Amino acid sequence: DAGVIQSPRHEVTEMGQEVTLRCKPISGHNSLFWYRQTMMRGLELLIYFNNNVPIDDSGMPEDRFSAKMPNASFSTLKIQPSEPRDSAVYFCASSKGLAGLAYEQYFGPGTRLTVT
Amino acid sequence: QKEVEQDPGPLSVPEGAIVSLNCTYSNSAFQYFMWYRQYSRKGPELLMYTYSSGNKEDGRFTAQVDKSSKYISLFIRDSQPSDSATYLCAMTGNQFYFGTGTSLTVIP
Repeated sequence: DAGVIQSPRHEVTEMGQEVTLRCKPISGHNSLFWYRQTMMRGLELLIYFNNNVPIDDSGMPEDRFSAKMPNASFSTLKIQPSEPRDSAVYFCASSKGLAGLAYEQYFGPGTRLTVT
Repeated sequence: QKEVEQDPGPLSVPEGAIVSLNCTYSNSAFQYFMWYRQYSRKGPELLMYTYSSGNKEDGRFTAQVDKSSKYISLFIRDSQPSDSATYLCAMTGNQFYFGTGTSLTVIP
């Protein structure tokens, strides 16, 4: 298995631009998580999906952030418009089961986003 | 108060030392307690998990959970330079929470 695949691995963009991050979960996993990691705040859960349905998006910081999961093998996290404070590493993770039972999450390599 | 508190360190120890990493939490509904390891510029990976209270051992690693004190620990025996990483505790009940991570360096 290839593991969780994220693209792009690095993204540098200017403030105000739209950014789209992509994730392909592990085949057979039915939960998908988007996280943001910074030195100051650590790893923050933004949103998670179960069976392609958003279950909890309370971690999404603002309306500028949106996430979709059109099918079991693909998800996107979009930031529009982007701001310098969005600079962080964004991780996608997948697992079997609901979040409360998903003790084993498999993380992708992350997307390092820099907004100038 | 944060759901999960973890000392960020950094922690620096000589090779062969015993390392103790700890987290406290506030939500008594947490049932699964995990430790993830994250190498530099990589995603976290699950190291160990424990269900409810008690100890679990896996090679040089031992995880302990004390639900009465809302306190979990990870012990690393005979630490190696390859153990140098950030260790994140995590726990789940109805939702999933990570600690902020403790950075560990094992000096040869």
